[in-house]
Amino acid sequence: DTAVSQTPKYLVTQMGNDKSIKCEQNLGHDTMYWYKQDSKKFLKIMFSYNNKELIINETVPNRFSPKSPDKAHLNLHINSLELGDSAVYFCASSQEPSYEQYFGPGTRLTVT
Amino acid sequence: QQQVKQSPQSLIVQKGGISIINCAYENTAFDYFPWYQQFPGKGPALLIAIRPDVSEKKEGRFTISFNKSAKQFSLHIMDSQPGDSATYFCAASVVHNTDKLIFGTGTRLQVFP
Repeated sequence: DTAVSQTPKYLVTQMGNDKSIKCEQNLGHDTMYWYKQDSKKFLKIMFSYNNKELIINETVPNRFSPKSPDKAHLNLHINSLELGDSAVYFCASSQEPSYEQYFGPGTRLTVT
Repeated sequence: QQQVKQSPQSLIVQKGGISIINCAYENTAFDYFPWYQQFPGKGPALLIAIRPDVSEKKEGRFTISFNKSAKQFSLHIMDSQPGDSATYFCAASVVHNTDKLIFGTGTRLQVFP
């Protein structure tokens, strides 16, 4: 009964490809997030959805597009992948924005 | 003003010692200060958090000390164990606000036997 789950755990792809990462939470939370963690371990927020509505959209290339089909799911689609997109992507959720966030296990994306 | 500055970047402690990680912030509107623990290959996990109405919160071997006037807060790990070896992140936010949780840059803690 994993609280926040992500698929896939590893993603290796070539430059120029399009890929998606899926996230699901079973905590009944209203807010979900996508974070990017680079090789130096910096955690950078990318997007946040509250009740399926986008509330945070950081300075992220428009090749990244989040989609929230319902409160329990937040997917991340990435177009035209670049080498610099290689990182670990974390999904997280919380009952309220900016409070007690629970993270998924991460998806390690490697672009070759 | 939205930054949270965390130090040290890395910390090596002997088993049984005290690990101390410090964070400082500028935004006086922040009212929620969590600490996250991340093991290699895992997602960050909420460890302990404090609100500014108290100066200290303790959970087992982990204690947050909060100094509102200095705009600083710190994590103390008593009797540090090799199993505590992980990366620790402090963070801050304004609760009930749609703005984001601001993370520090992380501290890699290594506890040697």
